[in-house]
Formats: sequence, C-alpha cells, structure tokens
Amino acid sequence: KAGVTQTPRYLIKTRGQQVTLSCSPISGHRSVSWYQQTPGQGLQFLFEYFSETQRNKGNFPGRFSGRQFSNSRSEMNVSTLELGDSALYLCASSLETGADTQYFGPGTRLTVL
Amino acid sequence: AQSVTQLDSHVSVSEGTPVLLRCNYSSSYSPSLFWYVQHPNKGLQLLLKYTSAATLVKGINGFEAEFKKSETSFHLTKPSAHMSDAAEYFCVVTTPPTGRRALTFGSGTRLQVQP
Repeated sequence: KAGVTQTPRYLIKTRGQQVTLSCSPISGHRSVSWYQQTPGQGLQFLFEYFSETQRNKGNFPGRFSGRQFSNSRSEMNVSTLELGDSALYLCASSLETGADTQYFGPGTRLTVL
Repeated sequence: AQSVTQLDSHVSVSEGTPVLLRCNYSSSYSPSLFWYVQHPNKGLQLLLKYTSAATLVKGINGFEAEFKKSETSFHLTKPSAHMSDAAEYFCVVTTPPTGRRALTFGSGTRLQVQP
C-alpha cells in the first residue's frame, strides 16, 4: 500500500498570503489529522477530519482551517500568513476516528517571508 | 489532561552500545503510548505502541519499550545502536474520550550515534 502523501513538499510564501496544503491518506483510511511542527513549540495537533467532518480541534486561531473530501483526501488552509506560521506541517491518517495508530506523511515545509 | 515528558533532549551513544531514551507520562485515563522516530527531513515513523496488552512492547529495528504504571514511564531501549538509528525520537500519549483522541507529543530526544 502506498503511504500518506502530502503536496507540495516545500512552499515559500510572504506574509499576508494564504496557502493550501494537501494530504492523501493511506487507501482505506478515513481519518486525517494535521499537525504543526516548529523548533520552539514542537509537534502540535491542529485538527482531525473524519467522514468530511471536523471531529477534533487543537488550540490554533481561526486562520487555520481544513476540509475533507468524500475520497478522504484532506486539505489544510492557512489565511493571512504570519512569520510564525513557518513550520513543517504533517498529515497523519488512521482507519477510524479516534484510532490509536496514526501513519504520517513526509510533511510540507512552509516558509513565510 | 494528558502530558508526556521526555527526560533528555539529546542522547549520544557509541555504535554497538545500548540505547535508553526516557519518557514519563501523565494521564487521567488508561493511556495508549507510542514511540515515533523522525529522520532528518522526513515524516514520523511508528516504532512501537502500547495499548494495555503486554507491558513489554517490541517494535521495529530492534527497539522495545516497557510500560511501568507504578513509575508512569515508557522508556525506549535497544541493545546495540546502529549508525542508522541517529534521528529524533518522540514519545506520544493518547487517551479517551473515544472519538476525540489526539496525540500529545513529547518534546523529542535527538539520538546521536558515534562511530
């Protein structure tokens, strides 16, 4: 089985712009979670989607949003980018919502200038 | 609430010597615990997980971890380090309520393996 794929792998944006990241889960997995990884804050949970519905949300501002499509693929959007949004954004998939084991993609490295 | 503390931010060992990466957790419920590894510029790979079965959990690449409830610990070990083990390791906890689980990550331990 193919693993979790994320596109693009690298992005450079400027402050104030918006960005959309994409994640394709492992075939058959219906839950997709997003995480932000920074040197200062470590790995932090953003949100989880299952059956096209947001099931769980971390402590991030409303500029961070996401959605999930009927084929379980998910997108994450960040509007009005700030310098502090520079991070590695990781997507993880699991079979069901609330499932213990999550499988991670390689991440999208976002740089905000 | 749940939390996880990785006691060492950096561990250096020589190739062929044992590895010990320490993790303590805090949880209001019976936790599930994981160790993930992240190689440079890569995503996270699951090494092993504990979900209330056997307290000694064997993972991939010769790693294992022991769940000790009395000590609230879940330390990761490997008998003999290999150069390819150099990476960052994350201890992770997740607890109920079911359906609203999220992974809580430790701050990570960077493992350096000297030749």
